[in-house]
Amino acid sequence: AQSVSQHNHHVILSEAASLELGCNYSYGGTVNLFWYVQYPGQHLQLLLKYFSGDPLVKGIKGFEAEFIKSKFSFNLRKPSVQWSDTAEYFCAVNTGTASKLTFGTGTRLQVTL
Amino acid sequence: GAVVSQHPSRVICKSGTSVKIECRSLDFQATTMFWYRQFPKKSLMLMATSNEGSKATYEQGVEKDKFLINHASLTLSTLTVTSAHPEDSSFYICSALTYGTSGRNEQYFGPGTRLTVT
Repeated sequence: AQSVSQHNHHVILSEAASLELGCNYSYGGTVNLFWYVQYPGQHLQLLLKYFSGDPLVKGIKGFEAEFIKSKFSFNLRKPSVQWSDTAEYFCAVNTGTASKLTFGTGTRLQVTL
Repeated sequence: GAVVSQHPSRVICKSGTSVKIECRSLDFQATTMFWYRQFPKKSLMLMATSNEGSKATYEQGVEKDKFLINHASLTLSTLTVTSAHPEDSSFYICSALTYGTSGRNEQYFGPGTRLTVT
């Protein structure tokens, strides 16, 4: 079974700082990769996804992620964070044609003014 | 598009009672829905896959007699927590599967239901 690791549990950044959140998965086959965001009091929203093709994926709100197959990683990046990016971020994976998602433990991002 | 709702958003019940949580896809049909449980400061744990017109598929370690799932229509799945105990207190989230803009099936999540068992 696949698993997902997010090593950063709580990240605090000042506005305009650059962001990189780590995500590693364990599975040797074809994977589909996702980043979700959960703003305080709101439901999970999809930030971006990777199925195939260009390993650099651009999502909403200026976020991007790079799939590095050799490192089993799918790190999330944003060049300049805003206070409104304060939220919980979840990396998730499913395999092949399966739809079931396996989530990482999440990273709480706190952006200070 | 692709909006999923849950009702109720919050519920408090007494030990030993049963609680039903509804998950609806508002603007699309979903033959498959998923139920997750989210513990404080922890990840979402998949509990079961709900299939319209057939029995749900439960993940290992999830008691199917305790967490009853019914997917009676293409827009509604319900999760009933039977004989609730305080340890069942949690945040329950559903998602519905539909064909996304990527050309593949994608999950859209509901806002979650906070269950507190006293």
